[in-house]
Amino acid sequence: DAKTTQPTSMDCAEGRAANLPCNHSTISGNEYVYWYRQIHSQGPQYIIHGLKNNETNEMASLIITEDRKSSTLILPHATLRDTAVYYCIVSPSNNAGNMLTFGGGTRLMVKP
Amino acid sequence: GAVVSQHPSWVICKSGTSVKIECRSLDFQATTMFWYRQFPKQSLMLMATSNEGSKATYEQGVEKDKFLINHASLTLSTLTVTSAHPEDSSFYICSASALYGYTFGSGTRLTVV
Repeated sequence: DAKTTQPTSMDCAEGRAANLPCNHSTISGNEYVYWYRQIHSQGPQYIIHGLKNNETNEMASLIITEDRKSSTLILPHATLRDTAVYYCIVSPSNNAGNMLTFGGGTRLMVKP
Repeated sequence: GAVVSQHPSWVICKSGTSVKIECRSLDFQATTMFWYRQFPKQSLMLMATSNEGSKATYEQGVEKDKFLINHASLTLSTLTVTSAHPEDSSFYICSASALYGYTFGSGTRLTVV
């Protein structure tokens, strides 16, 4: 079973920031928080991951609470091409060859 | 970045025939590959974990004799759907662990008629 809880769907206006929440209250100390997205009929695309510090890359920012029980993915300026299902996943480091368990994800609809 | 190439992107086959799906890691060695299946409007479900040079590990409820997985090299894993039936119609996706997380193939849409 997935160890994360995400809202089923969200809307965002084009050009505005999209803030996608994720609860992972049972996360273990060695587990990372990964975010992926899946555009219709494509394979999932890696966005970002983190352990406990906030992370930022060219795609998004990841804010992890101090107790690590929840996180927020931020797309600073959403575009129509960001419409996708966003998955928040917790898993030990990929170096261990652990699989990713997908939950339902959040269907983000970016509207003009 | 790490790229996983998956072929074919779509295939239509007749009921009772077999279909092979290939997954190649193009610029890295994938000791472990994962195979997922996704039905319409549902999330990805792990089918099996494929380790180079050894037998795959299947998730509960996945028939190993029906979904044959071969991972003979560090850059190639294949999934063969044997004696396909319409209920096997789905979106099949492979994945491998890379430097910055897991890289996924583009998926294969299988339709069994």
